[in-house]
Amino acid sequence: DTGVSQDPRHKITKRGQNVTFRCDPISEHNRLYWYRQTLGQGPEFLTYFQNEAQLEKSRLLSDRFSAERPKGSFSTLEIQRTEQGDSAMYLCASSLTEANTGELFFGEGSRLTVL
Amino acid sequence: AQSVTQPDIHITVSEGASLELRCNYSYGATPYLFWYVQSPGQGLQLLLKYFSGDTLVQGIKGFEAEFKRSQSSFNLRKPSVHWSDAAEYFCAVVRSGTYKYIFGTGTRLKVLA
Repeated sequence: DTGVSQDPRHKITKRGQNVTFRCDPISEHNRLYWYRQTLGQGPEFLTYFQNEAQLEKSRLLSDRFSAERPKGSFSTLEIQRTEQGDSAMYLCASSLTEANTGELFFGEGSRLTVL
Repeated sequence: AQSVTQPDIHITVSEGASLELRCNYSYGATPYLFWYVQSPGQGLQLLLKYFSGDTLVQGIKGFEAEFKRSQSSFNLRKPSVHWSDAAEYFCAVVRSGTYKYIFGTGTRLKVLA
């Protein structure tokens, strides 16, 4: 399978715990995005990488959120001291630079439930 | 600020009936426009996109969309809906030269047998 893969698909945690999500983009894609989707809403932009550089971080992300993309390959999104309001589907997407406004390829998402 | 509006939260149609899902955008210039579909437990899949040229674009699964600059709209249509089309549909926009895609809140389509 050469699509975008995310792990884990589901995570249930207690408030205050840390969680980490991983995204493996399509191998030749140098752009990687994280979005968050809550019930009844469309995906909301969280952050964006071009290769290993994090070029923008949404104001939606508090200091408890951090994302990395070492070596410009896979990416991780960590949430520290989780809160119930963090419960959502976290979506990863990738695309090619030369297709500057081209298609985003999405993974199936990682659903977080904070108890 | 850029925004995307999908005024219909839920739409129910009978199988075989025609479908139109509305999308309006607010941008300083003509953005690039997309429709994505999300089936339960699946990732978002691109149906079609508009960059320039012919304002009527064809997509996968028999969908089409028409860009109307005067109305700032990009409505999605299908002549005959199939039960498998039941899903959530998202309109998205991105400004040329940027990377931040903005999504609407989605329209959930239900198809009656």
